[in-house]
Amino acid sequence: DTGVSQNPRHKITKRGQNVTFRCDPISEHNRLYWYRQTLGQGPEFLTYFQNEAQLEKSRLLSDRFSAERPKGSFSTLEIQRTEQGDSAMYLCASSSGGATNEKLFFGSGTQLSVL
Amino acid sequence: GENVEQHPSTLSVQEGDSAVIKCTYSDSASNYFPWYKQELGKRPQLIIDIRSNVGEKKDQRIAVTLNKTAKHFSLHITETQPEDSAVYFCPSGGYNKLIFGAGTRLAVHP
Repeated sequence: DTGVSQNPRHKITKRGQNVTFRCDPISEHNRLYWYRQTLGQGPEFLTYFQNEAQLEKSRLLSDRFSAERPKGSFSTLEIQRTEQGDSAMYLCASSSGGATNEKLFFGSGTQLSVL
Repeated sequence: GENVEQHPSTLSVQEGDSAVIKCTYSDSASNYFPWYKQELGKRPQLIIDIRSNVGEKKDQRIAVTLNKTAKHFSLHITETQPEDSAVYFCPSGGYNKLIFGAGTRLAVHP
């Protein structure tokens, strides 16, 4: 499978627990994005990486959220001390990051439920 | 940053009819206009895009038109089919990141 892969597909956790999601982008893509989507809304931008550098993080993003892309390949998104409001679909996307505007390829997402 | 308004928020058509969704942007420097489709329970997928040096682009039953003077671009779906039922997005932002609104929910009724 040469698409964007996300794990796990579903995560149920209790409020206050920490969770970590993983994203494996398309191998030759150097840009990686994290979005969050709730029911009836479009994907909300969280952060993005160019190779291993995190270039932008949404101002709306709580400091309980952290993302890494240590070797410029896969990325992890960690949420500490989860809250019920964190329940959402977390989408990862990658792009080639070329000189022209880029097309995003999304993964299937990780559905987080915080009880 | 760029502000894009999308209309309508919901659209219901009969199978075989055409559907048109319109997005209006504010930044005259915008040069890339993509359309994403998200079926229920699925990931968003790019279905068509256009750059500012082109006025129209077609791919089978879908087309995108760009009016740079009026600063709007539209998605046209002809001969709609039930599998066209989905949420359609015209995200703004361009090179660094794409910002998605709530989209247009299209329902095609048999």
